[in-house]
Amino acid sequence: DQQVKQNSPSLSVQEGRISILNCDYTNSMFDYFLWYKKYPAEGPTFLISISSIKDKNEDGRFTVFLNKSAKHLSLHIVPSQPGDSAVYFCASPHNAGGTSYGKLTFGQGTILTVHP
Amino acid sequence: EPEVTQTPSHQVTQMGQEVILRCVPISNHLYFYWYRQILGQKVEFLVSFYNNEISEKSEIFDDQFSVERPDGSNFTLKIRSTKLEDSAMYFCASSGQILYNEQFFGPGTRLTVL
Repeated sequence: DQQVKQNSPSLSVQEGRISILNCDYTNSMFDYFLWYKKYPAEGPTFLISISSIKDKNEDGRFTVFLNKSAKHLSLHIVPSQPGDSAVYFCASPHNAGGTSYGKLTFGQGTILTVHP
Repeated sequence: EPEVTQTPSHQVTQMGQEVILRCVPISNHLYFYWYRQILGQKVEFLVSFYNNEISEKSEIFDDQFSVERPDGSNFTLKIRSTKLEDSAMYFCASSGQILYNEQFFGPGTRLTVL
């Protein structure tokens, strides 16, 4: 029962180029999404979020796009840096029924590798 | 910058033993969570805690698990009788609001059950 899905387990990008990480969700009632970055042996670190009243949110090199009709969001990192190499998770604070109690449902994660 | 802390960083225990994982959430946060990540799998929600009681728990959080906020700063997860399949990274998180607000995660405790 994957309510939030990241279908690409890994992504490899050259330094300076754009990294695009994708995430799909199943329930159109989901209205808030977060991206977290995780290094090995560390906890997830919040990156950026987006509410369904927007279709784009930007913070420095990170931009998240939300396509509600496609139930799809993406995280763009421009320009990519070697220090961005980590696992990226999308998450939503909703359960399958669309009722939110604050718990986060995570995607499986995408391993981003940025080569110098 | 305030952060969530967790102790110990690594806990090794024998199957059937009790373990207590400790967390100090960010001081002005009101909502507390435990998640776990089994090696190679995604991060899974265990339990949320607000106003000194559990607000939601997952199917994983059975009678062997309990949470407590024994004082104004600590938040603990107890596993009464550990099983091999409890081996995982356990993350504590806290947030200032329940909705539309990021959760801040601690560095995790690696639990190894032998």
